[in-house]
Amino acid sequence: QVQLQQSGPGLVKPSQTLSLTCAISGDSVSSNSAAWNWIRQSPSRGLEWLGRTYYRSKWYNNYAISVKSRITINPDTSKNQFSLQLNSVTPEDTAVYYCARDRTGDLHFDSWGQGTLVTVSS
Amino acid sequence: QAGLTQPPSVSKGLGQTATLTCTGNSKNVGNQGAVWLQQRQGHPPKLLSDWNNDRPSGISERFSTSRSGKTASLTITGLQPEDEADYYCSAWDSSLSGVVFGGGTKLTVL
Repeated sequence: QVQLQQSGPGLVKPSQTLSLTCAISGDSVSSNSAAWNWIRQSPSRGLEWLGRTYYRSKWYNNYAISVKSRITINPDTSKNQFSLQLNSVTPEDTAVYYCARDRTGDLHFDSWGQGTLVTVSS
Repeated sequence: QAGLTQPPSVSKGLGQTATLTCTGNSKNVGNQGAVWLQQRQGHPPKLLSDWNNDRPSGISERFSTSRSGKTASLTITGLQPEDEADYYCSAWDSSLSGVVFGGGTKLTVL
């Protein structure tokens, strides 16, 4: 059974960088079928996909247009995890952030992290 | 902002059938269909059905999906109190090269 365990700070100051990590157990970040996603949820924006990383003989990333200039998602094969970095945050980035596994690459979001409430405030 | 359109709320009686809709365009729902997720208060979303209308193990047969053109539907038969939740659709948008979500439908079981 796949488990995703999120970690990272719950409070980030405006203009700084939001950093979260998602540790994977029961699967590999280097899986040739899965994709590893970051999704956030807020009352004002609902569910919002941020991006994903996946391995198909080499590493690929896709990012949402809304955050493309500020986001980096990186795999860490040595620790079997992946991370989210979102730069230059504003209060609009306040949300619950989830990591999620897409088991097949076809939006089969079958495993989710526990969620991390990140508040952007000074 | 939601890329797919869902009615904000639906109310049905215990034991009745609810059909939730999700409308997109030719680049998302009309292209490859939608996946459906259920979210109960305080929990992450849970996958109900993928693009191929396959239900993950443990998901009741009372949940079924269909698609007609640019609109996907989730039908829940024999409504139970535990079906009361928020339901989201999601699709890959080929014009955005990314995933879009609906705004969600809050299902109330009376």
